[in-house]
Amino acid sequence: NAGVTQTPKFQVLKTGQSMTLQCAQDMNHNSMYWYRQDPGMGLRLIYYSASEGTTDKGEVPNGYNVSRLNKREFSLRLESAAPSQTSVYFCASSPRGSGGSSYNEQFFGPGTRLTVL
Amino acid sequence: DAKTTQPTSMDCAEGRAANLPCNHSTISGNEYVYWYRQIHSQGPQYIIHGLKNNETNEMASLIITEDRKSSTLILPHATLRDTAVYYCIVRNAGGTSYGKLTFGQGTILTVHP
Repeated sequence: NAGVTQTPKFQVLKTGQSMTLQCAQDMNHNSMYWYRQDPGMGLRLIYYSASEGTTDKGEVPNGYNVSRLNKREFSLRLESAAPSQTSVYFCASSPRGSGGSSYNEQFFGPGTRLTVL
Repeated sequence: DAKTTQPTSMDCAEGRAANLPCNHSTISGNEYVYWYRQIHSQGPQYIIHGLKNNETNEMASLIITEDRKSSTLILPHATLRDTAVYYCIVRNAGGTSYGKLTFGQGTILTVHP
């Protein structure tokens, strides 16, 4: 199993450009998440998808949109990138859709390092 | 969610046990204690979790005090590869939580040769 994969690994954008960060998992997990991590800080949840076909906002959703394309894939889109969105973006998945202590056992991808000039 | 307090940094000699403390004095009865770590430039990695009993797996042991207001993550034989930021997270198991983890500043553990 590859686990959680993210593409691209690195990206540089100009202010106002758009792009989509891709995430896929091969563990048959129901739930998927997008986080951002700024220098010296912990992770902050952007959006999550509890199960296929559902998405909801996390702590810092402004400026982002998501699509749960199918059970495997969860993409994050920046419609008009801003320098404040310069960050490392992590995708994660977890095995359960609701309930159970394993709900919070999340498996993370390697991250996408995004710079917006 | 209960707030957690961890030391900013800790050092440990290679081969010795690393004991990482976490205070969560406002924890409620249905909240679990989770530990994750993040090695430099990588995504966080789940380590262990527990409710009130002590837990052990192949990576670590988790000791939770009887009043559940604090816990300690123990890496029994630390190696250089255990150098990382360790996060203690308190969270409900499910319901409307949908696995929304809150990562604080964590503890930077440095393992020395």
